[in-house]
Order: sequence, then C-alpha cells, then structure tokens
Amino acid sequence: ETGVTQSPTHLIKTRGQQVTLRCSSQSGHNTVSWYQQALGQGPQFIFQYYREEENGRGNFPPRFSGLQFPNYSSELNVNALELDDSALYLCASSPGQNYGYTFGSGTRLTIV
Amino acid sequence: QQQVKQSPQSLIVQKGGISIINCAYENTAFDYFPWYQQFPGKGPALLIAIRPDVSEKKEGRFTISFNKSAKQFSLHIMDSQPGDSATYFCAASREGSGNTGKLIFGQGTTLQVKP
Repeated sequence: ETGVTQSPTHLIKTRGQQVTLRCSSQSGHNTVSWYQQALGQGPQFIFQYYREEENGRGNFPPRFSGLQFPNYSSELNVNALELDDSALYLCASSPGQNYGYTFGSGTRLTIV
Repeated sequence: QQQVKQSPQSLIVQKGGISIINCAYENTAFDYFPWYQQFPGKGPALLIAIRPDVSEKKEGRFTISFNKSAKQFSLHIMDSQPGDSATYFCAASREGSGNTGKLIFGQGTTLQVKP
C-alpha cells in the first residue's frame, strides 16, 4: 500500500478551464515531484518542491504551477487547459535526496 | 543528453523464462538508475535500483546489470511469472546535494508472461 495519496482519481475538464490536483505524501517526505504520463509513454518530469520551494522544473510552460505545504501535502495547478494536457498526473515523494521516490496512483485528467 | 532509451517496446515470455529489458543513457552525470513496475491504473512502483559503483545488484528474481563504460543497464527477471505482466520503466537521475533528483524515464516495455 503506497504512502502517497492523490485526489481525485479521475477528472474531466473542458479546454480553457483550470484544474487543481492534490497529493498527500508520507510524513517526513519533504521532497515531492510531479510527473505527466501520456498514454503509452514514460512519465515526464514537471517540477519538484523541496521544503515548500520549487527546486527544479522540466520543460513545461508557466501555466503549470505548484504548491507544497508544511503538512507534506502538495498541489499541481494547471491553467488554460489544452487537449494535450490529457494524461495521468503522478505525484512522487521522498524523505530527501539520495533516497528513492514513492509514486501515488495518479490522477487521470481528460480534457474535452 | 538527457535521454534514456529503452528496448524492447514489448516482450512476450513463457512462464519460467527469463525476461530481459535494456536501457541506454547519455548523460555521464547520472548516478542513480532505478527500475519501476507499473500495472494498469496504478502509479509506478520502485522495483530495484543501482548506483554506478557496482556492476550488478540482485533482489529475489530481479537483477540489474550495469555497464558504466557502455552507458547501459538492463533488468533481468528470472523465472518469469504471469503476475510479472506489467509495464517496466528504466530511469536515471543525478542525485546529491544541489540536484533535483529529477527522474528521466525510458519509454517503457510492456511485458506479457504466458502461462
């Protein structure tokens, strides 16, 4: 049973709308990363937060933003949704660098 | 230089056989090489990982072989079982102070183990 919980599990949004995805990490996991996984592809790194500050970003536009909170929860916000944003969004947490990452089951986001 | 190339794209193995999945990387700064297993509708789960100071790591039926000079690493699944049927991803990252630990994933291999 994974210690990383994501909500919601599925979500359907309309192009142009905004969405917030949530992740609850294990206690003590002060590093959280978000990934986008398109169908049939490997996960692509969006960004990472360490102790509530962004600590690295992949090749994603600014309309992808995030927050990390002191209670080990985090959010991924996406503005101006596009059809290509349809994917599985994964949250992964770690107790720190040099440790492995534990992934949640993801949120399946569909843009219509 | 950030790519991780994985092959084959799909693999069919008979129960009891050996499944072999290969990955190649470009960035010599990578120092952490995990393998993830993903079942439909689930997130990736860490299977086994290796660092470049060793050439092989074994955990149960799963073995990673690592060739630093060739910049290649592979996953061997011994005595493959139908329950191993899943998608497998190799990944690489640069750990350590000052680095994000961003995982670069391969494209994935869909493994089917026939009874």
